[in-house]
Amino acid sequence: KAGVTQTPRYLIKTRGQQVTLSCSPISGHRSVSWYQQTPGQGLQFLFEYFSETQRNKGNFPGRFSGRQFSNSRSEMNVSTLELGDSALYLCASSLGTGNQPQHFGDGTRLSIL
Amino acid sequence: QKEVEQDPGPLSVPEGAIVSLNCTYSNSAFQYFMWYRQYSRKGPELLMYTYSSGNKEDGRFTAQVDKSSKYISLFIRDSQPSDSATYLCALPSGGSYIPTFGRGTSLIVHP
Repeated sequence: KAGVTQTPRYLIKTRGQQVTLSCSPISGHRSVSWYQQTPGQGLQFLFEYFSETQRNKGNFPGRFSGRQFSNSRSEMNVSTLELGDSALYLCASSLGTGNQPQHFGDGTRLSIL
Repeated sequence: QKEVEQDPGPLSVPEGAIVSLNCTYSNSAFQYFMWYRQYSRKGPELLMYTYSSGNKEDGRFTAQVDKSSKYISLFIRDSQPSDSATYLCALPSGGSYIPTFGRGTSLIVHP
């Protein structure tokens, strides 16, 4: 069974640009969550989608947005990039919401110049 | 006080040692407990999850939960160099069940 797939693996952008990251969950998983991981803050929750609806949102500015498609694939968008957005962005999928363990992809490493 | 505290390490041990990794938490609403392993340049990999107090064993790994002390541990027996990674505890809470992660403990097992 294929795991969670994130594309691209690496991205380099400049301040002010926008970026879209993609996540394909494990087959059959309907919940997708996004996290930002930095050395200083660790893993921080961005948002969770289930059945194309955002179910939960973390404490990030509105520049961070996402969506989920009917096939459960998800995208995350960051607009007006700032230097502090440099991080590893991780996607995790689970069967559903609630007490379901999450399975992570290997992330997209975003570097802002 | 952070909701989940975890010593960042690094923790360096010789091959074959028993390793103890720990997290403390402050929110008694946490209902189940997970441990993830993260190798360099990879995403976190789910190692174990448990709902109750007490021990849960899986091969060389044992997860221990003490809800009264708000303390969870992961023990690794007969540690191997391939166990060298960062170990993160994660505790989902409340109605959203969104995990709160510890900062992770870096483990180095040297031959």
